[in-house]
Amino acid sequence: GNSVTQMEGPVTLSEEAFLTINCTYTATGYPSLFWYVQYPGEGLQLLLKATKADDKGSNKGFEATYRKETTSFHLEKGSVQVSDSAVYFCALLILTGGGNKLTFGTGTQLKVEL
Amino acid sequence: DTGVSQNPRHKITKRGQNVTFRCDPISEHNRLYWYRQTLGQGPEFLTYFQNEAQLEKSRLLSDRFSAERPKGSFSTLEIQRTEQGDSAMYLCASSATGGGNQPQHFGDGTRLSIL
Repeated sequence: GNSVTQMEGPVTLSEEAFLTINCTYTATGYPSLFWYVQYPGEGLQLLLKATKADDKGSNKGFEATYRKETTSFHLEKGSVQVSDSAVYFCALLILTGGGNKLTFGTGTQLKVEL
Repeated sequence: DTGVSQNPRHKITKRGQNVTFRCDPISEHNRLYWYRQTLGQGPEFLTYFQNEAQLEKSRLLSDRFSAERPKGSFSTLEIQRTEQGDSAMYLCASSATGGGNQPQHFGDGTRLSIL
């Protein structure tokens, strides 16, 4: 089956520190990969995506590269801010009969302190 | 650009009662999804509509759950005879067609608490 594994949180960083959140996947086909972010009390917001091997998704200073050889899609940011504190979800998508349901990891909470 | 709208935001009810949630997708999106998220977990897929047709249902969707999208616009998710284990956040998402990689846009969810 399809699954996503993320590093456990919480991850606590000081402002301006470098962020890495690891994500690996298993999939029966050729997935598209996503990172979503969830702020307290809110739904999920798409942060970035990559649809094929070696693609790099980027948004708001966050980046992730689709690595087929290591089945990974690690999220990075060079300098985090307090406002980046949230839960981050890695997800994959494989088309099934025309549908596109997402399979999510368990999420990694990020706390950024001054 | 109005996003996905879900109502109510919170629902508290006694065990055994029926509840219904509503989702209004982004207007031009013809695909609509329901997910369930429990505390500390990622969302889990429940069901999916393309226009008014329900094309896929998860094994998580027991007989007590029913979802409809009668006119291919808004959708409702009903849970009958609620149980403690139904307490969760219920998320709705929508996307356009035109390839399998159209991003899903999520609403803020309905948080269900069963007393």
